[in-house]
Amino acid sequence: ETGVTQTPRHLVMGMTNKKSLKCEQHLGHNAMYWYKQSAKKPLELMFVYNFKEQTENNSVPSRFSPECPNSSHLFLHLHTLQPEDSALYLCASSRETPGQGHEQYFGPGTRLTVT
Amino acid sequence: SQQGEEDPQALSIQEGENATMNCSYKTSINNLQWYRQNSGRGLVHLILIRSNEREKHSGRLRVTLDTSKKSSSLLITASRAADTASYFCAFHSGGYQKVTFGTGTKLQVIP
Repeated sequence: ETGVTQTPRHLVMGMTNKKSLKCEQHLGHNAMYWYKQSAKKPLELMFVYNFKEQTENNSVPSRFSPECPNSSHLFLHLHTLQPEDSALYLCASSRETPGQGHEQYFGPGTRLTVT
Repeated sequence: SQQGEEDPQALSIQEGENATMNCSYKTSINNLQWYRQNSGRGLVHLILIRSNEREKHSGRLRVTLDTSKKSSSLLITASRAADTASYFCAFHSGGYQKVTFGTGTKLQVIP
């Protein structure tokens, strides 16, 4: 256990559905991240939050909407997704100070299938 | 692209042998990290090496960093079947928080 939990672990949704992914970290970290991992592609950073403020949006389509109500919780709201959005979505957290690049702790991921 | 490149993409060895994976990058970095991922799971941090360090050890892991060649290697000694996983390098190249991951090496250790 890394101290980062994600729910649900598996999700199948139609293109017209709305669903949310949840991430929670119990490590007292101030930064949280969403990544997308598709088959045979490198890990893609989607969003970064630090102390609840979004500090990075890596040109992610608006059908993905993040929410960070506090430093321990991170959500990814999904709507009108496309089949190519099927992937493993990973949440991570880290203790961050400017310019330091500390190690990240990952959750187990949510395997998303869009039909 | 600032993405890290790893080679080989896949590596298959016998249990007890050593495994070496390499990572190259294009920018100057503050640190370089190695992660491990079992199939379909989250990544687990293995080791971090700072730009002013040349070598670091952790158990059966040995990481080297050559900033002049912009490359790093991860050596796993006396491999075990349980080491079967994908291994990723990731580097921090300044700015706030953003760490860029490499393409990964898939290691299979045959019992």
